[in-house]
Amino acid sequence: AQSVTQLGSHVSVSEGALVLLRCNYSSSVPPYLFWYVQYPNQGLQLLLKYTTGATLVKGINGFEAEFKKSETSFHLTKPSAHMSDAAEYFCAVSGAGGTSYGKLTFGQGTILTVHP
Amino acid sequence: DGGITQSPKYLFRKEGQNVTLSCEQNLNHDAMYWYRQDPGQGLRLIYYSQIVNDFQKGDIAEGYSVSREKKESFPLTVTSAQKNPTAFYLCASSSVDWSYTFGSGTRLTVV
Repeated sequence: AQSVTQLGSHVSVSEGALVLLRCNYSSSVPPYLFWYVQYPNQGLQLLLKYTTGATLVKGINGFEAEFKKSETSFHLTKPSAHMSDAAEYFCAVSGAGGTSYGKLTFGQGTILTVHP
Repeated sequence: DGGITQSPKYLFRKEGQNVTLSCEQNLNHDAMYWYRQDPGQGLRLIYYSQIVNDFQKGDIAEGYSVSREKKESFPLTVTSAQKNPTAFYLCASSSVDWSYTFGSGTRLTVV
């Protein structure tokens, strides 16, 4: 079984400030981890993913995330927020095998607000 | 360009009516998925299919049905048995390298 917990349903930052969106997961098999962004009434766009290899993953638009197995975390960061980063962000996990194979389990989402 | 097309973008359903949401992909992906999105609940898996003519129930399959007669198509029917169908529905497909592509969604409202 898999689950994802995103800490904080709403995060507010000033433009130019650090963005930190928290994600913790549980998985009975080696996890593949994802961060997606969603703008209103649109589908999801992949920001970055971790499957194997380097635990620090760089994505689009200046975002990055670090897989920490000991902490079962995959937090998303961006050094300097831009107004265009305002959106809803979803963390997701998929199992590398077993009955979870291929299926994404999502967190509840975090709405990021960026104010001038 | 390859991608996923969902239609219609907005759909209104009367009480007791079945409606079908379309999902078509030209990415040559084997696996396809349907998710339901409600505010504050993230996305929940309804059905998924990893190969043509085969599909499995997800976490919230009751009141929904699907078919997978072609690799490119994975329509979702919301039946009258689904008591609370108002939601945003997202279709996705995935390749062997764990690349998921999402459609732009269908917003279903009961009137």
